[in-house]
Amino acid sequence: RKEVEQDPGPFNVPEGATVAFNCTYSNSASQSFFWYRQDCRKEPKLLMSVYSSGNEDGRFTAQLNRASQYISLLIRDSKLSDSATYLCVVIPRHSGAGSYQLTFGKGTKLSVIP
Amino acid sequence: DTAVSQTPKYLVTQMGNDKSIKCEQNLGHDTMYWYKQDSKKFLKIMFSYNNKELIINETVPNRFSPKSPDKAHLNLHINSLELGDSAVYFCASSQEWRGPSGNNEQFFGPGTRLTVL
Repeated sequence: RKEVEQDPGPFNVPEGATVAFNCTYSNSASQSFFWYRQDCRKEPKLLMSVYSSGNEDGRFTAQLNRASQYISLLIRDSKLSDSATYLCVVIPRHSGAGSYQLTFGKGTKLSVIP
Repeated sequence: DTAVSQTPKYLVTQMGNDKSIKCEQNLGHDTMYWYKQDSKKFLKIMFSYNNKELIINETVPNRFSPKSPDKAHLNLHINSLELGDSAVYFCASSQEWRGPSGNNEQFFGPGTRLTVL
């Protein structure tokens, strides 16, 4: 089983739609969870952290279910500028001495269509 | 103003050559990383350094040798390049681990697209 699994998509949605991405992780000891966004031929950038209580940032809502080892991202009122690949990211362990390893899913591609 | 910069942006070379990629961050972070993103867009950690000391080495062939002359720089030297080394290499940096609920964001450079012919 892969460490972090995502549906690769693509998800093609009209502007204004609500879209949800899911992700599962295999290591039950994983400590921290994130969604990163990667535009075409660009570097990944942090979109939001994911907390156990769930958290919201504008049109974006992230949820974590530790029991099911499942993370989700909901995007409401999709904009053309939301078109990107969304990467589910997990920190499986703290590597010590200040550094930590990000484990990435393969990403879910979103295209928002006018 | 660039937080994490890498040079070169593109690198095209022949099999068997040796090449280096440079990375610099001006964020004052103590930790730097190299990631590889293959043709299937899968991003995977290669190395991490904390205060110039190697912390993570994820079963990368020893043809890859990172070097950190100071906390702001982490360079990647690759010997005897192979076709399978073609990928985008991303440098990243972060502050020290802030705990499971802390701000543990990693900042990525723009990437170096390596093509081995």
